[in-house]
Amino acid sequence: AQSVAQPEDQVNVAEGNPLTVKCTYSVSGNPYLFWYVQYPNRGLQFLLKYITGDNLVKGSYGFEAEFNKSQTSFHLKKPSALVSDSALYFCAVREYNLRGNYQLIWGAGTKLIIKP
Amino acid sequence: GAGVSQSPSNKVTEKGKDVELRCDPISGHTALYWYRQSLGQGLEFLIYFQGNSAPDKSGLPSDRFSAERTGGSVSTLTIQRTQQEDSAVYLCASTRTSGSGGETQYFGPGTRLLVL
Repeated sequence: AQSVAQPEDQVNVAEGNPLTVKCTYSVSGNPYLFWYVQYPNRGLQFLLKYITGDNLVKGSYGFEAEFNKSQTSFHLKKPSALVSDSALYFCAVREYNLRGNYQLIWGAGTKLIIKP
Repeated sequence: GAGVSQSPSNKVTEKGKDVELRCDPISGHTALYWYRQSLGQGLEFLIYFQGNSAPDKSGLPSDRFSAERTGGSVSTLTIQRTQQEDSAVYLCASTRTSGSGGETQYFGPGTRLLVL
């Protein structure tokens, strides 16, 4: 079965510094990988996804993620963090379930705190 | 519609009571998902609707949980005889299609359920 791991419950970064939120996955075949963000008291929002093509994927709000097949990782990055980036970040991977449908398997989430 | 809406935003109920949670997907979106998000955990898939096909109920945790989608649009998630462990945030998401599993999911704000 597919799985996704976010090894850090929380990441603390000073404003203006680069940030990385880690995600590793276990999947058979070619992975479809996603990042979503959940701001306080708001629903999840799509950030970016990797399906095929360039390993470096650019998304919303200046975020990007790099697909690394050899390390089975899809880490989320941003060159310069903003206080407004503070939120809960989820990594997800597509899985083909026993019912013959695609669904997303979600990581537990990483709380990102950007300090001024 | 502007986005996915869910109601109520908060629901407090007593153990043993039934609750109904509503989701209005984005107009024209054919696929609809229900998830459960418990504190400190990722999203747990519950059920998936695609057009007029039979729903994928493989994620429902017990037979106390059921869902329907009327007219290919609005969906209702019903929890019968609620238990304290049902307390969580219930999220609904919709996508334009669900062919490859690579579609972006658009989430509602969620319903926070508390069972006393």
